[in-house]
Amino acid sequence: GAVVSQHPSRVICKSGTSVKIECRSLDFQATTMFWYRQFPKQSLMLMATSNEGSKATYEQGVEKDKFLINHASLTLSTLTVTSAHPEDSSFYICSASPLGTGSTDTQYFGPGTRLTVL
Amino acid sequence: AQSVTQPDIHITVSEGASLELRCNYSYGATPYLFWYVQSPGQGLQLLLKYFSGDTLVQGIKGFEAEFKRSQSSFNLRKPSVHWSDAAEYFCAVGAGYSGGGADGLTFGKGTHLIIQP
Repeated sequence: GAVVSQHPSRVICKSGTSVKIECRSLDFQATTMFWYRQFPKQSLMLMATSNEGSKATYEQGVEKDKFLINHASLTLSTLTVTSAHPEDSSFYICSASPLGTGSTDTQYFGPGTRLTVL
Repeated sequence: AQSVTQPDIHITVSEGASLELRCNYSYGATPYLFWYVQSPGQGLQLLLKYFSGDTLVQGIKGFEAEFKRSQSSFNLRKPSVHWSDAAEYFCAVGAGYSGGGADGLTFGKGTHLIIQP
């Protein structure tokens, strides 16, 4: 089956530093990758849609300068949380949609990255 | 804008008993509907999905869901739960592939399922 990995699984950083999270589709190519944020005991909120080779599309209320997304290849998207603050602490989850399919036909989720900002 | 409501935050069911998790959606057109399960330390796993056709959808692990347009509902059911079913369950709605590209999903807040021995 299609597998999506995320690295790191957990990260702790100091306030003001930047953190990069990687999302990889291991056995398929993904035209589109999505980044979600999940607060404790709450739902997943879509942050942005990342299309290979183009700029990401951010949801309303998500700061694009704070959450930098790069989708440089068909198997890798990265999310960089810049100048992180404690309120950025959260669980970040990516998903990938295989090449040639609509997003809601098949979307595979990564295991998530737990970010803690001290 | 689309939205998903899961009215039950927690549900406790005895092992072997039947289960129904509720999901209501709001969407202007025919929705693409999903149920996912999230276990600690693991990614979201797709249980089943509905796009069109038969309104009763069969999924993995013995789960099924029924799309009822008149009630804007997509409730998840299982006739007999196992202790391993304890997890967080999310209902989600998608708009499908739009002209501008693929669309992300809108999730409900989830229902935490507890299984009593």
